[in-house]
Amino acid sequence: AQTVTQSQPEMSVQEAETVTLSCTYDTSESDYYLFWYKQPPSRQMILVIRQEAYKQQNATENRFSVNFQKAAKSFSLKISDSQLGDAAMYFCAYRTTSGTYKYIFGTGTRLKVLA
Amino acid sequence: SAVISQKPSRDICQRGTSLTIQCQVDSQVTMMFWYRQQPGQSLTLIATANQGSEATYESGFVIDKFPISRPNLTFSTLTVSNMSPEDSSIYLCSAQPRDRGEFWYGYTFGSGTRLTVV
Repeated sequence: AQTVTQSQPEMSVQEAETVTLSCTYDTSESDYYLFWYKQPPSRQMILVIRQEAYKQQNATENRFSVNFQKAAKSFSLKISDSQLGDAAMYFCAYRTTSGTYKYIFGTGTRLKVLA
Repeated sequence: SAVISQKPSRDICQRGTSLTIQCQVDSQVTMMFWYRQQPGQSLTLIATANQGSEATYESGFVIDKFPISRPNLTFSTLTVSNMSPEDSSIYLCSAQPRDRGEFWYGYTFGSGTRLTVV
């Protein structure tokens, strides 16, 4: 069974600085998708970025980028030029490539942005 | 991407009663997923609902406690039955798009229901 681990329960970053959130996973599958979701206090889950495992190129979305290391089963999220609105819980998620294509979520990292 | 309307957004219920949570999607979807989230914690999958068949429950969750309906491709309900204070949590639904392009992009989520059982 697949597992997702986020080892940082909480992180802080100064506004305009860069922060990296860690995520590791375990799987025997060769093809899968990885996601980072953001959950602000409103509870809404917002997709931040996704990565296809068969693509070696790291995904980027504006200020958000990932460092995907398939062999190491690592999928970290880098947030550049941090803004106050980035403060939220961040969840790393693995999506299975068979069955119901369900998500498996990590335990989350709470990001605080300091003015 | 699909937009999900989840109701109610919050409720306070007496122990021993039941609450039904609804999720309405603005487009047809295949699977719908129901999650429980304790405050400050991760999302735990309760069950997966496919239209026209019984929901598939994860370990630790049973149909008698969390009956699910999926009458069509845009709607699903989750009932929390015979509630106790331990059921106090946030419940979220999520939908898997039928459109293959959207499917590979990611799923959307409802805004959650905060349930308090007293």
